[in-house]
Amino acid sequence: QSALTQPPSASGSPGQSVTISCSGTSSDVGGYDYVSWYQQHPGKAPKLMIYEVNKRPSGVPDRFSGSKSGNTASLTVSGLQAEDEADYYCCSYAGSNNKIFGGGTKLTVL
Amino acid sequence: QVQLQQWGAGLLKPSETLSLTCAFNGGSFSNYYWIWIRQPPGKGLEWIGEMNDSGRSNYNPSLKSRVTISLDTSKKQFSLRLSSVTAADTAVYYCASRREYSFEFDPWGQGTLVTVSP
Repeated sequence: QSALTQPPSASGSPGQSVTISCSGTSSDVGGYDYVSWYQQHPGKAPKLMIYEVNKRPSGVPDRFSGSKSGNTASLTVSGLQAEDEADYYCCSYAGSNNKIFGGGTKLTVL
Repeated sequence: QVQLQQWGAGLLKPSETLSLTCAFNGGSFSNYYWIWIRQPPGKGLEWIGEMNDSGRSNYNPSLKSRVTISLDTSKKQFSLRLSSVTAADTAVYYCASRREYSFEFDPWGQGTLVTVSP
């Protein structure tokens, strides 16, 4: 199974919005509403930001939102702040008890 | 609040077996899957596999032949063994957990860098 496809990089200025895509197939992203997103700062463990496509864990700012259309999921960060600069990874259930990650997107706040 | 603390050998030679352990504290060991995920230097995340307290396990097909995940419920610990390692197995290894009927990973351990070098 191949990794989900994410753009290598994304950027935006403080206060702007940026959307990161995560493309898969009907066997993973398109087939299940089990897409999650993780934020990873350098040298740190990933942190859950979105689960089940569009749900936010307690403590995650509502500036972070998720959505899905067909085989592509998206993470939108609104009102960009300096601390949002990090790597972001999507993950999807892929059937048969497998899970696959995207290749990651480096978000730069200009 | 669930917390995970992991440890294990950080330097291995090719063909040796990687062994890492993760301890859980802050709640029940039941109704969770206990997970290992790795990240090669400068690269993305890869799900390795998982096991629940009933002994049900799921593994990444690409690693299944070399991976064993085990649980010690009395100590609230779970372990990863990866046999016949090569340089391609050099990575930061993370332990994590998920609730039994969910698919998101939370929380995560702090990560352990494992380097495979002759």
